[in-house]
Amino acid sequence: DQQVKQNSPSLSVQEGRISILNCDYTNSMFDYFLWYKKYPAEGPTFLISISSIKDKNEDGRFTVFLNKSAKHLSLHIVPSQPGDSAVYFCAASGNFGNEKLTFGTGTRLTIIP
Amino acid sequence: NAGVTQTPKFQVLKTGQSMTLQCAQDMNHNSMYWYRQDPGMGLRLIYYSASEGTTDKGEVPNGYNVSRLNKREFSLRLESAAPSQTSVYFCATRGPAAFFGQGTRLTVV
Repeated sequence: DQQVKQNSPSLSVQEGRISILNCDYTNSMFDYFLWYKKYPAEGPTFLISISSIKDKNEDGRFTVFLNKSAKHLSLHIVPSQPGDSAVYFCAASGNFGNEKLTFGTGTRLTIIP
Repeated sequence: NAGVTQTPKFQVLKTGQSMTLQCAQDMNHNSMYWYRQDPGMGLRLIYYSASEGTTDKGEVPNGYNVSRLNKREFSLRLESAAPSQTSVYFCATRGPAAFFGQGTRLTVV
């Protein structure tokens, strides 16, 4: 039972445009959400997080939106740059981040120069 | 300040052999995790340790054992490797965002 779903395995975006990556979850106990970026042959690196008490969190070019009623979150990257080409994972946790993380299957983002 | 260090980076095993993957963190976090990454499957939790002295099973624990040696170190052992355990293994620590090691690419032939 996949509790965190990333339904788009891949996404291609023109350099300079907005990249939107989506994630859905089924477990209503999840209240803390994170996005990770992964380059080949490296470990995932933390990008940005959001708690369920907020609906938006911004960090530079990265913004995460949370829609609790739809059990949906998205990551917006503006503007997209070639170095953003990577696999992006969303992850979720309960107890405001104190429980184990459950990951989605990932979306491969390719930025086209 | 290394963060999370995993050894080895690469390993080839024959079916039935055993090995231990080592992980050490210098971030002073209580919780540590072992994940495996397979194509199309994302990151799946094998075992985790919420604090020194405790360990719990994750999604895919079969064929693995773990030891939380102290606050810094969390090892993963394959007692009798199988080809299905060919994967990339990541150790992580949390506080509350998770920080990952560089991974161990394991091939079982």
